[in-house]
Amino acid sequence: DTEVTQTPKHLVMGMTNKKSLKCEQHMGHRAMYWYKQKAKKPPELMFVYSYEKLSINESVPSRFSPECPNSSLLNLHLHALQPEDSALYLCASSRGPQGTEAFFGQGTRLTVV
Amino acid sequence: SQQGEEDPQALSIQEGENATMNCSYKTSINNLQWYRQNSGRGLVHLILIRSNEREKHSGRLRVTLDTSKKSSSLLITASRAADTASYFCATDYGQNFVFGPGTRLSVLP
Repeated sequence: DTEVTQTPKHLVMGMTNKKSLKCEQHMGHRAMYWYKQKAKKPPELMFVYSYEKLSINESVPSRFSPECPNSSLLNLHLHALQPEDSALYLCASSRGPQGTEAFFGQGTRLTVV
Repeated sequence: SQQGEEDPQALSIQEGENATMNCSYKTSINNLQWYRQNSGRGLVHLILIRSNEREKHSGRLRVTLDTSKKSSSLLITASRAADTASYFCATDYGQNFVFGPGTRLSVLP
């Protein structure tokens, strides 16, 4: 199984809502990532978890809250988002933090209204 | 922050032609990777080249790396309509994959 599964595929939420994005992999990868991608732009790193510990937070606003319940799961909790947070949110995993390829999920298309 | 910069940003070619995309980066790297993204979908890993390698092949893909110029190129030979996608280089340092702005490739039938 070389898949990274993200749910939901699409999400529309109001600015006062709380929602969560989910990501799952069963490849035994120990590094997991959240990226944000705006249209016609490259993915921008948000968070990195290494061995289930948050190792990188790229100055992301606190309205985004990551969680890694176990080595296979990664969540991104969303609260009080702004319309400019609308984007494609991509989860990825890799065997280790360096020198290996990343496997990406298909993303969650988020629209904040 | 962006580490890699692709050139050109958009490229249109006819089916059967070769497509060359270039990537430049700023700091020392452990390796450089190329990814493909079909419209609005996840990224797919194409090839990884390590800093001590100069050239690598995978099927119709050829990647070169020039660490003295801090640049890499991706060549797709005998392009097909299915190669239409955005292509990103990604540099790997620390625990971070940093992507360049990408090249949007259109292969016309």
